[in-house]
Amino acid sequence: ELKVEQNPLFLSMQEGKNYTIYCNYSTTSDRLYWYRQDPGKSLESLFVLLSNGAVKQEGRLMASLDTKARLSTLHITAAVHDLSATYFCAVENDYKLSFGAGTTVTVRA
Amino acid sequence: NAGVTQTPKFRVLKTGQSMTLLCAQDMNHEYMYWYRQDPGMGLRLIHYSVGEGTTAKGEVPDGYNVSRLKKQNFLLGLESAAPSQTSVYFCASSATMGLGYTFGSGTRLTVV
Repeated sequence: ELKVEQNPLFLSMQEGKNYTIYCNYSTTSDRLYWYRQDPGKSLESLFVLLSNGAVKQEGRLMASLDTKARLSTLHITAAVHDLSATYFCAVENDYKLSFGAGTTVTVRA
Repeated sequence: NAGVTQTPKFRVLKTGQSMTLLCAQDMNHEYMYWYRQDPGMGLRLIHYSVGEGTTAKGEVPDGYNVSRLKKQNFLLGLESAAPSQTSVYFCASSATMGLGYTFGSGTRLTVV
């Protein structure tokens, strides 16, 4: 059974500083996704990482994938209040997504 | 607008009642999924379908049934609701692996 672990589960960020969310998974995966969810809303796709060494960036967010270590990271640069949300990683395997528990991010001034 | 539509958006059930959640997609996607989301547990797969007429069990299938009689619709049924089924339910669809997933807006179900 594929297991996906995210840490930390809660992250209090100070505006302007940099932080990283980690996503470990237990078995070989086809692809890795990062999603954002605002309270009471659906999931918004952020990144799809397809292969080892993949790096994608959008604004203050950058995601990377190391398939040998079975590790993905979501790096946040110079946090701003708008980034407050819950972030999920999800691993695709055999036509299905398995999700991590999510990281709830709060950005404070 | 193209996408995944879930109905209803909110529902309160009494223990033992039954109901059906409807998921409809207009993107001609082959794959459809039902997830439940509980605090601190991420999304867990209930059932899924890889094409019209097919269904398969996910991680937490007990207490639920599904049907996919038409390609665009995926129904999730609760035959006898229990308080443990209080959750937010999300439907998702995908054209094929690697092309991403489209999620519905969710159904908030409370069983009292």
